[in-house]
Amino acid sequence: GESVGLHLPTLSVQEGDNSIINCAYSNSASDYFIWYKQESGKGPQFIIDIRSNMDKRQGQRVTVLLNKTVKHLSLQIAATQPGDSAVYFCAESSTGGFKTIFGAGTRLFVKA
Amino acid sequence: KAGVTQTPRYLIKTRGQQVTLSCSPISGHRSVSWYQQTPGQGLQFLFEYFSETQRNKGNFPGRFSGRQFSNSRSEMNVSTLELGDSALYLCASSSWGGSSYEQYFGPGTRLTVT
Repeated sequence: GESVGLHLPTLSVQEGDNSIINCAYSNSASDYFIWYKQESGKGPQFIIDIRSNMDKRQGQRVTVLLNKTVKHLSLQIAATQPGDSAVYFCAESSTGGFKTIFGAGTRLFVKA
Repeated sequence: KAGVTQTPRYLIKTRGQQVTLSCSPISGHRSVSWYQQTPGQGLQFLFEYFSETQRNKGNFPGRFSGRQFSNSRSEMNVSTLELGDSALYLCASSSWGGSSYEQYFGPGTRLTVT
């Protein structure tokens, strides 16, 4: 069946270091991928997205990489800050109609 | 611009009862999606509505249903509640933003079934 999974359930990094969160997806038909951040007591918040015709997209302190060959997605956070501590979800969807499949989530801890 | 609002925020129901949750999307957004979030299953897609029509559906039993009104507000209904329906129910609205199809989530409704 369709699934989007994460390799690491938890990640602990030192403040100022770079963080890398990985994700695997299984649906080759997905053409749109998104990363969300969820803080305690809140709904997921959009971070960055990428379409399948791209390999890399950069935002403010974040970069998403897409490797369609191995169906792998990663989120890189530069100079990680305590405010980045949250659960991060990758998600796959299609731009033709909106069914989004979420991964299990990775909890990021940032040590001051 | 006001964000996505969901009511109620918290709800306690008994097995066998039914429940209706409400979602008001961001003004101008025509797509509303519903998700169920549990510690064991994570975020699971329930269904998506666009212009009052269900456009996509996840793998949930028929006890879970929804609808969307002409003002894009949406409701979801769960009938014959089971203990396993206890979860955070999230609503997200979206609108094509040119280069992204960004979804904005509400704070969720925490449903507890006893």
